[in-house]
Amino acid sequence: ETGVTQSPTHLIKTRGQQVTLRCSSQSGHNTVSWYQQALGQGPQFIFQYYREEENGRGNFPPRFSGLQFPNYSSELNVNALELDDSALYLCASSLAGAGTDTQYFGPGTRLTVL
Amino acid sequence: KQEVTQIPAALSVPEGENLVLNCSFTDSAIYNLQWFRQDPGKGLTSLLLIQSSQREQTSGRLNASLDKSSGRSTLYIAASQPGDSATYLCAVEDQAGTALIFGKGTTLSVSS
Repeated sequence: ETGVTQSPTHLIKTRGQQVTLRCSSQSGHNTVSWYQQALGQGPQFIFQYYREEENGRGNFPPRFSGLQFPNYSSELNVNALELDDSALYLCASSLAGAGTDTQYFGPGTRLTVL
Repeated sequence: KQEVTQIPAALSVPEGENLVLNCSFTDSAIYNLQWFRQDPGKGLTSLLLIQSSQREQTSGRLNASLDKSSGRSTLYIAASQPGDSATYLCAVEDQAGTALIFGKGTTLSVSS
């Protein structure tokens, strides 16, 4: 059974640029959630995708957008990067949109915005 | 708005001690509660999940309890080891079953 994988591991961008982060869900999982974790803070929910549709969104501006593909992998896109976007971005997968199962997290992508 | 608080923020103990980490939440209308472990710069590892209808869960040296009415959960670690050193995060899942709302975590250091 393959766990949740994320790419890239690290990324450095400058203000105003755009970035795409990728996540492959655990085998058999149909739900992917994205979280942002700033240094010293707990993760904050960005949004969730269930069967290719957005299934919930946290308090993040529209420049944070996502996609889920038919194989349940997912992308997080961030436009017009700001310094405060520097964080660890975590992807989590689970089975069933109702959240009845444990969410399994990937290792994260560390984004630095200069 | 749901808020999750974890106390203490940091804890240092000698190897072999039993310890308790605390988590409180403001809205008792939760779907479930999870405890995670995070090593520095890494992702999260799920330790225990307690459904809202349950009172506790156990896995090896770990025991987590849930009191929904008082908005509290505790994570008990028995016979701590240096390998237990990490940040422990508590998260409640909203009733829609979508978002996990996290506390800031307790950073545990176990010395040999």
